[in-house]
Amino acid sequence: DGGITQSPKYLFRKEGQNVTLSCEQNLNHDAMYWYRQDPGQGLRLIYYSQIVNDFQKGDIAEGYSVSREKKESFPLTVTSAQKNPTAFYLCASSMKWQAYEQYFGPGTRLTVT
Amino acid sequence: QKEVEQNSGPLSVPEGAIASLNCTYSDRGSQSFFWYRQYSGKSPELIMSIYSNGDKEDGRFTAQLNKASQYVSLLIRDSQPSDSATYLCAVKKSGANNLFFGTGTRLTVIP
Repeated sequence: DGGITQSPKYLFRKEGQNVTLSCEQNLNHDAMYWYRQDPGQGLRLIYYSQIVNDFQKGDIAEGYSVSREKKESFPLTVTSAQKNPTAFYLCASSMKWQAYEQYFGPGTRLTVT
Repeated sequence: QKEVEQNSGPLSVPEGAIASLNCTYSDRGSQSFFWYRQYSGKSPELIMSIYSNGDKEDGRFTAQLNKASQYVSLLIRDSQPSDSATYLCAVKKSGANNLFFGTGTRLTVIP
């Protein structure tokens, strides 16, 4: 089955700890994206990557980091510098970076206490 | 002014009726428009894309685009309880490499 997988589905961490969220796709898509969703605020772009070994900051990149060493994988690290990390994190991909039909993974719900 | 605006709802319609969901956007040069459906606790699912003025139909769904009015809508005919979800409008602005999302409209279809 082709698709986007994110793991884990739920993640709990203590404040001050870094945490890495996994995103893998087997759709052969070039572009990948990370969003966070908070109640009443819609989806906000954290980082995106158009090709391997390249990525750009989105609207709310502070406190986050990413890597894109393989086409299939785009992990997101939520660092201790992120002031309000509790949220629903969504990974998406699109066939080409110019093709804006984005397809989402199932999401990871992160809770930091 | 927000890039993409939607009424948050909730919008309630009886089963079998037409549900009409609306979205306005601020950038006149926007070229690509998308509707996503998001069930509670789940991730968004792409259901329609539209690029040209006019209507685009796919099954029970019709997307309508009016670039002059900076307005895009989604009609759901013969609404079913399974259509109850939040519908997100997304827009690709000119010069941007990503989509801008509205906050979504929550639709409830009453059996």
